[in-house]
Parts: sequence; structure tokens; C-alpha cells
Amino acid sequence: DIQMTQSPSTLSASVGDRVTITCRASRSVSTWLAWYQQKPGKAPKVVIYDASNLQSGVPSRFSGSGSGTEFTLTISSLQPDDFATYYCQQYNSYSTFGRGTKVEIK
Amino acid sequence: EVQLVESGGGLVKPGGSLRLSCAASGFTFSSYSMNWVRQAPGKGLEWVSSISSTSSQIHHADPVKGRFTISRDNAKNSLYLQMNSLRAEDTAVYYCARSPTSVTGSYRDYWGQGTLVTVSS
Repeated sequence: DIQMTQSPSTLSASVGDRVTITCRASRSVSTWLAWYQQKPGKAPKVVIYDASNLQSGVPSRFSGSGSGTEFTLTISSLQPDDFATYYCQQYNSYSTFGRGTKVEIK
Repeated sequence: EVQLVESGGGLVKPGGSLRLSCAASGFTFSSYSMNWVRQAPGKGLEWVSSISSTSSQIHHADPVKGRFTISRDNAKNSLYLQMNSLRAEDTAVYYCARSPTSVTGSYRDYWGQGTLVTVSS
């Protein structure tokens, strides 16, 4: 099984900050990686797929990069609507989610 | 508009069974693979099961293998999850989610609102 390790688990930031979340895979997943945003009581929403492709309708301040075992999700200028929990997911071999990164207000 | 509506959750005793359903609309259901993903209270997301558009590929995560069965009825635009021998650790919100491919092994582009399954005596 492929394990996904996200860091940090919690991130405190202010509106306008540049935010970066990291996800590491226990073995290569090529670029078969997605990022999801989840708000309390709501279903997750995909923001990035195939490591760097922006899902339709998602603001361009979100970007993804990486391949193999190291990936990052970057929010270039944090907005009030972005405070949420973010999960990475590999789909190279079945499916595994990371444990999540909560982005909270500083 | 793509819509996924889960139903069938509830309270069940350990060792019991439950069948979840997911009604799909707004897209050609028979062309897409489908998935179940769960989230225990206050915890992260966990993949449960996936099925390809024609049911030729079916995969279950190790924690549920042999107890849960995913299936679909393309004529009824419906996805199912039969859950047997339920355990307390199966307590979670269960989400139905679509993948943008006909085969399994992709991300989830649309999600339902989830249905809560509670396993407790």
C-alpha cells in the first residue's frame, strides 16, 4: 500500500499570505495526485488533479506541483473562503488519502 | 447539473448489515466509474471501494475486503454498497463520489453530501 504523509497537520495563516502544503508518497505515484478542499460538514471538493491541473471553476491562486513522491499545493494569496482542511490523494495504485492539513486563521 | 444523493445510513448493531444507495443524475451514469469514500467523526478521508463503468473492475480497501460489496445498476443510475459484519470502526459518513473516467484509478470530481452510518450496541 502507498502511504501519503501531509505536512503540516495544521497551518495558521492570515488573509493575503502565501501558503504551501506538502504531501509525500511512500513510493512513486508519478503525477497521479489530487488535492481536495473540505469545509466542516461539507463534502470534499477537488481543486487540483494530475498533480498540477486546476479543476474547472477553482480560482487561479491555487496551484499544484511535483511528481514521483513529493508534491505541493500552494495558495498564492490566502482568501477568507480558503480556510478549510486540505487532503492529498494518490490514485496511482488504488487510492490513498493523506491525513489532512487544516488551514486556520492566525 | 451533476447530483449524487446517498441514502440508507443509520444506526446498526455490531455484526449487523446495511445497504447504502447513491442515486445519480445530471450525467451519463453508465460512462463513469464510481467510488465510496468514508470519513469517521473528526477524522480524515478513507477510500472504501471503487467500481468501473461496466462493473468489470471492482476494488475494495483492505479494512472492508470480504465484508463490503460495491455494485451498480446502470439502468437505474444507482450505486450501492452492501455492508455486512459491521464493526464500531466502520462508523463514518459515507460519500458516493464520481471519477471522470470509465475505468477505476482516478480522482473524484463530484461528491454526494454523505450518509452517516453508526455502528453501536
